This record gives sequence, C-alpha cells and structure tokens, in this order.
Amino acid sequence: SQQGEEDPQALSIQEGENATMNCSYKTSINNLQWYRQNSGRGLVHLILIRSNEREKHSGRLRVTLDTSKKSSSLLITASRAADTASYFCATDAMSNAGNMLTFGGGTRLMVKP
Amino acid sequence: DTAVSQTPKYLVTQMGNDKSIKCEQNLGHDTMYWYKQDSKKFLKIMFSYNNKELIINETVPNRFSPKSPDKAHLNLHINSLELGDSAVYFCASSRGGDYYNEQFFGPGTRLTVL
Repeated sequence: SQQGEEDPQALSIQEGENATMNCSYKTSINNLQWYRQNSGRGLVHLILIRSNEREKHSGRLRVTLDTSKKSSSLLITASRAADTASYFCATDAMSNAGNMLTFGGGTRLMVKP
Repeated sequence: DTAVSQTPKYLVTQMGNDKSIKCEQNLGHDTMYWYKQDSKKFLKIMFSYNNKELIINETVPNRFSPKSPDKAHLNLHINSLELGDSAVYFCASSRGGDYYNEQFFGPGTRLTVL
C-alpha cells in the first residue's frame, strides 16, 4: 500500500463549513507536505511541516502532525467554493534519497456554494 | 512568468513509438523531478535529478530515461510506448540541498497511447 494515504477519499461540504482531511504514512519522515490540485492542473504547495513540529498555520489552513501515530491532518476553515480541488499529502521519508516525495491518493474536496 | 513549464500539454501516439516530453524551470532550482499520475490520481515519483546525481525509482521501466541538457531542463524520453504508459506526467523542481524544500510543479502532459 502507499506511503501517505488520505482519508476520506472524497468530501462534500457547504461553503463556510470546515473541511478536515487526514493522512497516514508508514515510515519515519523528515517532513510532510500538503499540496492542492485543481482539475486538469499541476500541484500547488500549501504547507510543509517538519518532523519536529506538531502544528502549523497558514491563513485558513491548519496542519497537525503526530509522528507517534504517523498521521497528519489538514483543516481548511471557512471553506469557499474556490477551495474545491484534490488535496494530497506527501512525505519526504528519511529513507528516500534525492528529496523524492511519496504522495498519497488524495482527498477530493467539493465545496458547494 | 511560468515557473515550471512542460511541452506538449497533450500527446497522443501509437504503441511502440518513442516520444519525449520537455520540462523547463526558471526558478534557478538545483533539483528536478518527474512524476506519473495515473487515472486514479495516484502520483508516483519516477526520477529525481540534480547536476550531481540521478535517483531512479526502482519501479520505473528502463524504457523511461531523463535527459538534462542543463540545470534548467529535464526532459523525459520514453521508448517503445505501451498502453500502460498512458497517464499525466508532471515535472517539478525544488531548491534541493536539504530536506525542507517545497516542490513546484508544471502543468502536466497528458499522454495517451493508442
């Protein structure tokens, strides 16, 4: 199975609600990153959290990391229709050479206006 | 200004053909990557390359080969294309050098093998 698996696979909410996505991984990591992908486009980096950090904020985004459980969560507060996209977590594992990221399968978020 | 660009955006070709996808980054980054995204949206690293080192994901067939004419370019050559190669291929770049660098992605090339 893949390092970095998101849960849920799909999420549909109303504008203004909060969206929470979870990610689990298997090996020790240097950092964990979240990316957004709009339909038909490339991935855009949202936030990076280092293995020695537990929580990080960026605007309406809040990311947590629990290395003991090998899990992370991405919270988007006060969601907007423009947040509709797929969200991927990616891990930079200690065993990886060359800064290669391992991506999960993504969570497809739909925010209804 | 486009940070990471790829050409072509769409590529339709017959099985058995050889094709190339070009990638350029104008960010001055040291490391470039190729990823493959399948129809279920799973994204898998294929290569990581800087001017010193090529790291190959062991699952990538040797029909795939990256070629870097200079630091700003990393092209992907694919020989003897197969149906299973149909996917979206993304190029990315990062500063490299340590483990805390975000990656910047290109818009993707949708490859369809008939």
